[in-house]
Amino acid sequence: QKEVEQDPGPLSVPEGAIVSLNCTYSNSAFQYFMWYRQYSRKGPELLMYTYSSGNKEDGRFTAQVDKSSKYISLFIRDSQPSDSATYLCAMSARDAGNMLTFGGGTRLMVKP
Amino acid sequence: SQTIHQWPATLVQPVGSPLSLECTVEGTSNPNLYWYRQAAGRGLQLLFYSVGIGQISSEVPQNLSASRPQDRQFILSSKKLLLSDSGFYLCAWRGVDQPQHFGDGTRLSIL
Repeated sequence: QKEVEQDPGPLSVPEGAIVSLNCTYSNSAFQYFMWYRQYSRKGPELLMYTYSSGNKEDGRFTAQVDKSSKYISLFIRDSQPSDSATYLCAMSARDAGNMLTFGGGTRLMVKP
Repeated sequence: SQTIHQWPATLVQPVGSPLSLECTVEGTSNPNLYWYRQAAGRGLQLLFYSVGIGQISSEVPQNLSASRPQDRQFILSSKKLLLSDSGFYLCAWRGVDQPQHFGDGTRLSIL
C-alpha cells in the first residue's frame, strides 16, 4: 500500500463546475499538507499549504484537511479551462517541506 | 523574489554518455536543495537533497550523483547513462519552515 493514495483520473468536468480532488494517507505523523498544480512539461507550482486540520481558502481554491480520517481535499470553484493540469498532493511529518511524500497526481480536464 | 532555474529544458543523450544537469536559485541564501525524478504517470521520487555546500544526502542508490559547489547551485551528474535514467528531472528549493518550490524541469531521453 502506498503511503499517499490519489486517484489518477483523468477527471473531466465542464467549465464552471466545482471540482473536488482528494488524497488519502496512512501515516498519522503527517502534519503539513500541500497541493501543487503541474501543467504539461512544467514543474509543479505550489497552490496551497496547510498545517494540521482545518480549511484554508485562497480565491477559487479551498484546501481541507481531516486528520482523523487521514483525508485531504482541494476544491476548485468556478473551474476554468486554464485549471486543466495535474494536481499533486504532498505531505510532510516534521516540518513544512523538508521530506515530502507525494501522491501520484490527478489529471484534471476542464472543458469549455 | 526567489527564482529557480534549470537547464537544459530537454536533453537527448546516448546510452553510456555522461550527464550534467544544473540548477540555480536566486534571491535567497542557504536554501535546502532537492533533485527529483518524475516518471510518466507517477509521483515524484526524491533522488538527492542538500542542506548546505558540499552536503549531499542520497535517497536512492543508482548511477547518478549530485554536487553542491556553491550555496545556490545544485548539479546532477552521471558518468554513464542507462536507458532507465530517462525521465523528467526536477530541482526544488526551500527556505526555513517553507514548502518546496520547483523549477521547470529537464526532460531527459536516453537513446
